[in-house]
Amino acid sequence: NAGVMQNPRHLVRRRGQEARLRCSPMKGHSHVYWYRQLPEEGLKFMVYLQKENIIDESGMPKERFSAEFPKEGPSILRIQQVVRGDSAAYFCASSPYVAGRQETQYFGPGTRLLVL
Amino acid sequence: GNSVTQMEGPVTLSEEAFLTINCTYTATGYPSLFWYVQYPGEGLQLLLKATKADDKGSNKGFEATYRKETTSFHLEKGSVQVSDSAVYFCALRREGDMRFGAGTRLTVKP
Repeated sequence: NAGVMQNPRHLVRRRGQEARLRCSPMKGHSHVYWYRQLPEEGLKFMVYLQKENIIDESGMPKERFSAEFPKEGPSILRIQQVVRGDSAAYFCASSPYVAGRQETQYFGPGTRLLVL
Repeated sequence: GNSVTQMEGPVTLSEEAFLTINCTYTATGYPSLFWYVQYPGEGLQLLLKATKADDKGSNKGFEATYRKETTSFHLEKGSVQVSDSAVYFCALRREGDMRFGAGTRLTVKP
């Protein structure tokens, strides 16, 4: 059973370009979470999605950032017009949904974004 | 709101020393508690978890007990190895809301 997959593992962008980060959840998992880890800091929640639906985006910056989890295919975190401050590691996690239970999240290896 | 506070690092220990990384939490109701580990250059891996008061999570020689009276979930290991060098994150989950501590970097020297 493959774990959570993220690609690319490393991404270099120049200021003003777009960054697209992909996350394929574990098989059978219908919920995806995105986190950002700034250098030497902890994880910060960004967004929580299930297929075709955003559950909680309270941690997403209001501008330039968007996320989706389509019916088919991976979840995408999109950052438009990147700035140097966007340089960070972005982690995706997935979990199954079981009504009334809090399921463990399993993390991908992360995408390390460097903005030049 | 829900939050996690863990001891600041870095922590440097000699091989076979005893490890404690403190973690306390603030949450409404009864959260689930987790420790994750991040090895250099890798993503987070679940180390152990506990879902209710007095539960003890354990894995790879690490243990943590869910203490509701002190709102704590301290991570312990009796004898650390060089291969335990990593960043350790305490986390809680309450009704889909996941919160992480800032992480504690552990370095174990031979």
